[in-house]
Amino acid sequence: GQQVMQIPQYQHVQEGEDFTTYCNSSTTLSNIQWYKQRPGGHPVFLIQLVKSGEVKKQKRLTFQFGEAKKNSSLHITATQTTDVGTYFCAGLADRGSTLGRLYFGRGTQLTVWP
Amino acid sequence: DTEVTQTPKHLVMGMTNKKSLKCEQHMGHRAMYWYKQKAKKPPELMFVYSYEKLSINESVPSRFSPECPNSSLLNLHLHALQPEDSALYLCASSQVNLVYTDTQYFGPGTRLTVL
Repeated sequence: GQQVMQIPQYQHVQEGEDFTTYCNSSTTLSNIQWYKQRPGGHPVFLIQLVKSGEVKKQKRLTFQFGEAKKNSSLHITATQTTDVGTYFCAGLADRGSTLGRLYFGRGTQLTVWP
Repeated sequence: DTEVTQTPKHLVMGMTNKKSLKCEQHMGHRAMYWYKQKAKKPPELMFVYSYEKLSINESVPSRFSPECPNSSLLNLHLHALQPEDSALYLCASSQVNLVYTDTQYFGPGTRLTVL
């Protein structure tokens, strides 16, 4: 069945260091979405990638979608303490199969030391 | 406005109680979702409603009963729950019609504790 693998599970960085989390799907995705969940909070939508090879930036965050639409990454440059939280990727299955079903990665929990 | 609201924020119930969780959105989304999230885990899909009809049930036990009274509201009725059902219950909504805009917007969740 559909699976989205995400690594690493945990990442501890010093403030100012960079951070990257990677997702890989067993099958081609319609699109991939990224969410951030702060401790005690709920997933908050960050961005959606749709096109093969797409790259999008939001300030210090860079999101990439692979050419085969099976993998994606989120890179944060010069982390800040406000970046703390768990980052989830979620792949949207091919619409021909299941409507609106998001397959979540297990998340990467980011800790930033001041 | 990308807000999904959920009530209550916190709920403590006994195993013999009956309670309901409520979710509301006014974004005109015609797909609504219930997820269950345990600590340090990703959200797990429970149910999907599309145009107020149940389209996906992820083999959820019958002690969870979803209801979609109209296009803006989604309920989750709870009865005879077990302590292991304690979790954060998240509601989400999305558009249906456009393939590339099925972004799901999550509500703040209801943190449920079953004693």
